[in-house]
Amino acid sequence: DIQMTQSPSTLSASVGDRVTITCRASQSISSWLAWYQQKPGKAPKLLIYKASTLQSGVPSRFSGSGSGTEFTLTISSLQPDDFGTYYCQQYESYSCRFGQGTKLEIK
Amino acid sequence: EVQLLAFGGGLVQPGGSLRLSCAASGFTFPYYAMTWVRQVPGKGLEWVALMTTGTETYYADSVKGRFTVSRDNSKNTLYLQMNSLRAEDSGLYYCAKGTSWQWLLLDYCGQGTPVTVSS
Repeated sequence: DIQMTQSPSTLSASVGDRVTITCRASQSISSWLAWYQQKPGKAPKLLIYKASTLQSGVPSRFSGSGSGTEFTLTISSLQPDDFGTYYCQQYESYSCRFGQGTKLEIK
Repeated sequence: EVQLLAFGGGLVQPGGSLRLSCAASGFTFPYYAMTWVRQVPGKGLEWVALMTTGTETYYADSVKGRFTVSRDNSKNTLYLQMNSLRAEDSGLYYCAKGTSWQWLLLDYCGQGTPVTVSS
């Protein structure tokens, strides 16, 4: 089974900061990687898919990069609404697995 | 507007059964694969089951043989029959819609329904 590992587990940053979250796969997943944002008490929301494609309606300050086993989610200028927990997800035809999550707190 | 409303959760004893439902609206339900994902409060997301647009079903190893996913396209509803429930099955169960090009790329997730397995 493919394992997904995110770092850091928690992150505290200030408004305006550039923030980067890393996701590593235990084996190559090509670009089959998505990022989701989840706020407390809410369902996850798709941000990025195929490693770097922004979902419709998602602000352009979010970006994704990487392929193979290492991926990053970057928020170019952190906004107050960006707090929450971020999950990476490897998806293929018949199964998927999520990373353990990165909790982003606004200082 | 896409809406996914999951319901049917509750308190059940270990070894018991529960059937979850997910009512879908705002899109052509038969054309999309649907997925169940669960989350232990304060913990991460875990994929549970996938139902394709046809009759194919796929399950996480942790639920294989105990859970059954199905759909009724005439009612725009997805189901999850959960048998032989264990304490570790407790959590918030979300239903989610796949995109038209990737079954497990989840572009909409509904609000979850809570399941508690406890004596």
